[in-house]
Amino acid sequence: NAGVTQTPKFRVLKTGQSMTLLCAQDMNHEYMYWYRQDPGMGLRLIHYSVGEGTTAKGEVPDGYNVSRLKKQNFLLGLESAAPSQTSVYFCASSYSFNEQYFGPGTRLTVT
Amino acid sequence: DAKTTQPTSMDCAEGRAANLPCNHSTISGNEYVYWYRQIHSQGPQYIIHGLKNNETNEMASLIITEDRKSSTLILPHATLRDTAVYYCIVRVANAGNNRKLIWGLGTSLAVNP
Repeated sequence: NAGVTQTPKFRVLKTGQSMTLLCAQDMNHEYMYWYRQDPGMGLRLIHYSVGEGTTAKGEVPDGYNVSRLKKQNFLLGLESAAPSQTSVYFCASSYSFNEQYFGPGTRLTVT
Repeated sequence: DAKTTQPTSMDCAEGRAANLPCNHSTISGNEYVYWYRQIHSQGPQYIIHGLKNNETNEMASLIITEDRKSSTLILPHATLRDTAVYYCIVRVANAGNNRKLIWGLGTSLAVNP
């Protein structure tokens, strides 16, 4: 099993550009999450999903959109990137709201 | 805001037990305590969780005080590969399915040879 994978690993965007981060899991987990991690701060939940076709807002959802069209995939979109969205993004999945499995992260820089 | 308090950093000698404390004095009766760790630049890794009883698995032991206001994660025989940031988190059980993990800054554990 690959577990949780994230694409891409690194990306540099200019302000105003858009992009989509892809998260995939092969563990048949119902729940999936997108977090961001910034220096000096803990992980913060952006959006999450409790099943295929469902999404919900986390702590810091502004500026991001998500979609869960297939159970194994959870996409995070930035429609108009801003420098404040420079961060490391982690995707996670879980069978229930207990143990979460994390991907390796995507390092995004917005200039 | 994070609901846990942890020391910023700790050191431990290789082969010795590492005892990582966590204060969660405002924890409510139905909130669990979770521990994760993050090795440099990698995604966090689940370690263990508990409600009020002590728990043990192949990675660690979790000791929760009787009043549940604090807990200790114990790595019985720390190795260099245990050098990481350790996060103590309480699970907020809100209405519906909005059960979020609130992450603090964790404890940076350095295991020294």
